[in-house]
Parts: sequence; C-alpha cells; structure tokens
Amino acid sequence: AQSVTQLDSQVPVFEEAPVELRCNYSSSVSVYLFWYVQYPNQGLQLLLKYLSGSTLVKGINGFEAEFNKSQTSFHLRKPSVHISDTAEYFCAVSDHSSGSARQLTFGSGTQLTVLP
Amino acid sequence: AAGVIQSPRHLIKEKRETATLKCYPIPRHDTVYWYQQGPGQDPQFLISFYEKMQSDKGSIPDRFSAQQFSDYHSELNMSSLELGDSALYFCASSLVSGSTNEQFFGPGTRLTVL
Repeated sequence: AQSVTQLDSQVPVFEEAPVELRCNYSSSVSVYLFWYVQYPNQGLQLLLKYLSGSTLVKGINGFEAEFNKSQTSFHLRKPSVHISDTAEYFCAVSDHSSGSARQLTFGSGTQLTVLP
Repeated sequence: AAGVIQSPRHLIKEKRETATLKCYPIPRHDTVYWYQQGPGQDPQFLISFYEKMQSDKGSIPDRFSAQQFSDYHSELNMSSLELGDSALYFCASSLVSGSTNEQFFGPGTRLTVL
C-alpha cells in the first residue's frame, strides 16, 4: 500500500514569486508519481508525471518537479507564479505495475493562492 | 482530442433514492476508474474495471455497484443514498497496455443528496 503526504494544506504567494509545493510518499514497491491541478468546480488535470529516467520532470504551465528517491519526495516548483495558477494541487502515486490497472492514491491537496 | 465524458454533470437526489452515474472513456482506453471526492477532501478510489472485468476495489460502500459494458462505458449505481454521499464523483480512463498508467479524468458529476 502507498501513502502520500502533502506537507502544506495552504500556500499563499505573491504574483511572480517562486513557489514549492511539497510531497512525500511511502511505498513498499516502485511507484509512478503524478501532480494534478484542480481549478474550482472542475476536474483534475495532469501537470506532470515521473515514470523513470531523469529525476527532473517538466510539465505544463511552467511547472517542474524533482523525484528524490532517497528522501521519497516529489516536490513541485514554479519559478514565477501567475494569478491564474491559483488552484488546488494534488500529488498522487500508483504502483509501478505494468499490464494491470492500478488506482491512484492522492495526497490531501495543497491550495495555492497567488496574491496580486 | 476526445476526453472522458461524464453524465450527468449535476444530480440532486433525496435520501434513500437511487442514482446512476455514467462514464464514457477516451476511445481505445481499456480501463475505467471511479473516484469520490467529498467537500474539501482528496479523491478516494472506489473501483476500477479493466477490459470489462472488475480490477480493483477501494472504499466503495456495499450500497454502490458498478459495471463496464461491452462498449467500455461504465456506470456507477448508488442506492439508499445518504447525506454523506454528497460529493464530486470522477471517472478516469487509461490505457493499461501503454504501461504508464496515466489516468485522464472527466469533469466529474456533482451529486447532492438532500
């Protein structure tokens, strides 16, 4: 079984400032890692994913994340945020099992609020 | 590009009534997942289907059932609705044979139980 911990439930930041949303995971097997964004009253949109290879992953909207196996972390970063980045961000993991369906386990979410 | 379609988008029911939520996955995707997101909560996995067979089961109440049909669409049936069932219900689809397990989410069905 896996678990995901998002250390900050709310992160306020001023526009054009950098931001880091923290995510730690726990698993007894290898995992895939994902970050999803949810805008108010909308569905979940994939920002980026780590499957294998380079530990620095670039996603949409200028976001990137770094997989750190020793620290079991997958923190999300953006060097300069915009008002439009205000949303709920979810870190998620799934088993590293091919050929079978594996559900996502989500963290509790981080509300990013970008202030003018 | 085609996305996951869910219907209805909004549903209002009374306690003890039944509800049916529908999900149409992305064409050629072989797997459907259902998640429940309560107010201010993270999405919780309910159940999944791979090639029309139940694959995994999460925290789905016995009052709920689901199936995947021959055209790969899926339905979540909810009976004896309770106030606590009010939530956003997401369907996601993926192509398991692609081995990345990237799940594409629909816009969700917001169920309100009065």
